[in-house]
Amino acid sequence: QQQVKQSPQSLIVQKGGISIINCAYENTAFDYFPWYQQFPGKGPALLIAIRPDVSEKKEGRFTISFNKSAKQFSLHIMDSQPGDSATYFCAASRAGFQKLVFGTGTRLLVSP
Amino acid sequence: DAGVIQSPRHEVTEMGQEVTLRCKPISGHDYLFWYRQTMMRGLELLIYFNNNVPIDDSGMPEDRFSAKMPNASFSTLKIQPSEPRDSAVYFCASSFLQGGAEAFFGQGTRLTVV
Repeated sequence: QQQVKQSPQSLIVQKGGISIINCAYENTAFDYFPWYQQFPGKGPALLIAIRPDVSEKKEGRFTISFNKSAKQFSLHIMDSQPGDSATYFCAASRAGFQKLVFGTGTRLLVSP
Repeated sequence: DAGVIQSPRHEVTEMGQEVTLRCKPISGHDYLFWYRQTMMRGLELLIYFNNNVPIDDSGMPEDRFSAKMPNASFSTLKIQPSEPRDSAVYFCASSFLQGGAEAFFGQGTRLTVV
């Protein structure tokens, strides 16, 4: 119940295309859903996050879509750029807990 | 703030040796996390502290692993004795309760045990 399942494992998108990464969870106590971006040789960094009281959050080219009933959330990268090539992790945490449960990661490659 | 600072960035050691990884969290953060990242297992939470007290060490793989946080600005992760399967990137992260669960990660220590 503590797992967050992420797919796909890897993704290749052409420049200008839309990248979509999906995550699913079981624990209905989760109430914070961040996405982290990691470049080679660096630590993960928070990209965007959402709480269950909204169904969508947009920051620039990055959008989180959240479906509470389906217990799924996804990251959409619009107009994908080669500089977006990185590994993306979804995560979740419970109210009042600082512990994050991470998905297995998606390696995104945006081809020029 | 300089962010979470980890040292060393790279460590190569021989099997059986003791390895100590170090972390300085962001000032004012009251949570500190140690993660291990490998291709096979992804990001695994090993242990985390709140106000210098270990809260959950269920992710520590074996007794060979130990972690301490003697004060709010310093933590260590020790492996004794080290084994080749411990080779991974170890990340330290910190957060503060009022900031929600957002964790700030260090650059990581790449450990290679030969």
